[in-house]
Amino acid sequence: KNEVEQSPQNLTAQEGEFITINCSYSVGISALHWLQQHPGGGIVSLFMLSSGKKKHGRLIATINIQEKHSSLHITASHPRDSAVYICAVATTSGTYKYIFGTGTRLKVLA
Amino acid sequence: DADVTQTPRNRITKTGKRIMLECSQTKGHDRMYWYRQDPGLGLRLIYYSFDVKDINKGEISDGYSVSRQAQAKFSLSLESAIPNQTALYFCATSGGGRGSYNEQFFGPGTRLTVL
Repeated sequence: KNEVEQSPQNLTAQEGEFITINCSYSVGISALHWLQQHPGGGIVSLFMLSSGKKKHGRLIATINIQEKHSSLHITASHPRDSAVYICAVATTSGTYKYIFGTGTRLKVLA
Repeated sequence: DADVTQTPRNRITKTGKRIMLECSQTKGHDRMYWYRQDPGLGLRLIYYSFDVKDINKGEISDGYSVSRQAQAKFSLSLESAIPNQTALYFCATSGGGRGSYNEQFFGPGTRLTVL
């Protein structure tokens, strides 16, 4: 079992739909990072959070430390949101370790 | 201009060739990382460096070496490339001192194909 699991792996939505992507982890963490990977390959940081909730535009990220779970929500989705969304955690063990999920591929249809 | 740059962006090479991928950053960060990404797998850490004199192996360092020429430059070398090193390679940087975690910033990636 992977230490960081994302669901779903693939998601197709119609423009305007509310989208939720989930991330569960099994290790102790100091922070969780949501990343967006564009079709061309580039990776952009969306949120880094260690508790509660953060919002930026149409994107909302939440984390529940007790349940070891985070969600990324996209409101009023748009075709330009089509990308791979990656969850990554910074663990509390050792000097350094950053574990990535395998990503959720989102396609938003016009 | 991009804060983290990688060269080349695409490279096709043959088995046995030596390849160097370069990463430069203008963010003034001490920490730099090299990852590889394969289809269906999460990014995996190859090497990381907390400063010019501190270089550490990641989870998949076999077949790779690195050089931290300056705070702003971190190069990844494949001494003798093999086909299963075909992947997308990312450089990343972060600030912060040892023991702390800071947000990572990624370069645009290098797509490497080994024939």
